[in-house]
Amino acid sequence: SQQGEEDPQALSIQEGENATMNCSYKTSINNLQWYRQNSGRGLVHLILIRSNEREKHSGRLRVTLDTSKKSSSLLITASRAADTASYFCATDAPPSGTYKYIFGTGTRLKVLA
Amino acid sequence: DGGITQSPKYLFRKEGQNVTLSCEQNLNHDAMYWYRQDPGQGLRLIYYSQIVNDFQKGDIAEGYSVSREKKESFPLTVTSAQKNPTAFYLCASRPGQGHEKLFFGSGTQLSVL
Repeated sequence: SQQGEEDPQALSIQEGENATMNCSYKTSINNLQWYRQNSGRGLVHLILIRSNEREKHSGRLRVTLDTSKKSSSLLITASRAADTASYFCATDAPPSGTYKYIFGTGTRLKVLA
Repeated sequence: DGGITQSPKYLFRKEGQNVTLSCEQNLNHDAMYWYRQDPGQGLRLIYYSQIVNDFQKGDIAEGYSVSREKKESFPLTVTSAQKNPTAFYLCASRPGQGHEKLFFGSGTQLSVL
């Protein structure tokens, strides 16, 4: 079963614009992570937000978490062509210590130069 | 140069054949994971191992087998019982207890002849 569902499935924007993608999940979580995947490659970790946090920033990335709605959003500001990739959320459901990570379906982002 | 090495990059399987995908890491990580990714889809968990000589089934373990005899190695065998094995297979590792971030290899594309 896939814990997370991202939307939109695909997003196309102009360079310099902001990109927002959303992740919804089904059960309570310990933390939620966002990963990036360039075509045909492995995933790279971007940012982690814990269940007791509401917002987190890392460079041009801003992540929010709403546990009451079981949803998270990833905002990439001032996007660049190099941000073109697929973005996935991953959740680690309780109990703590299982470290069984379930990934969402992903958002394909295309940034046009 | 530390990292996770998956080999081969491309693999072809004949009908009724078992094939083994290699995953080796020199990061001294305790935990290792195998995921399957179908075109345009998210990642689905096949097996994961928190420690040497121990592993757990993920959501789609049927038709696959693993072993974890050494800390640095977590090979995945795709058996003939897996009727639809064509996919991109990703191996990941995690340092250990208290560390949530996954580190991914570059993947193996398995196709059926």
